Amino acid sequence: DAGVTQSPTHLIKTRGQQVTLRCSPKSGHDTVSWYQQALGQGPQFIFQYYEEEERQRGNFPDRFSGHQFPNYSSELNVNALLLGDSALYLCASSTPGVNTEAFFGQGTRLTVV
Amino acid sequence: ELKVEQNPLFLSMQEGKNYTIYCNYSTTSDRLYWYRQDPGKSLESLFVLLSNGAVKQEGRLMASLDTKARLSTLHITAAVHDLSATYFCAVDKREYGNKLVFGAGTILRVKS
Repeated sequence: DAGVTQSPTHLIKTRGQQVTLRCSPKSGHDTVSWYQQALGQGPQFIFQYYEEEERQRGNFPDRFSGHQFPNYSSELNVNALLLGDSALYLCASSTPGVNTEAFFGQGTRLTVV
Repeated sequence: ELKVEQNPLFLSMQEGKNYTIYCNYSTTSDRLYWYRQDPGKSLESLFVLLSNGAVKQEGRLMASLDTKARLSTLHITAAVHDLSATYFCAVDKREYGNKLVFGAGTILRVKS
């Protein structure tokens, strides 16, 4: 089992550009959540996808959007990048239910210059 | 709103010493997690605590949960250099869709 895989691992973008990050969940998992971790801080919840729909959203602007595909993989899109969007973006997969645990991918390090 | 506070935020220890990291959360939650993060890396799950009085141990780390006090502790016994990392606690709650709410993290440095 490959676990949760994210791509790319590192990315450098220019302010104002758009970026797409990708996540493949752990086998058997159908729920994907995205988190942003700025340097020196704890991860912050961005949104969660289940059954190809956004189920929950954290306090992030509309520049952050996502998508989930029928195979449960997911994308995170960020438009009009700001310097403050520089962070480690973590994807976590899980299954619904009480006794389920989220598994994290290795993350994508985004640097906006 | 579910909030999580950790203290201390930075901890410098000598090898062989014991210390405790504290995690307080604002409202009742379903589960409490402890994660380890090495620089530039992702989160490694250490413990998941479900019920009041739960205690779990792995090597030199022991985690406990007091749901009445809304407090979890991560106790480090006889610290070794390899334990140097950032430790996060996080909670989730079914009515919030099981999203994880993290503390700010505790940077642990073990000096030899």
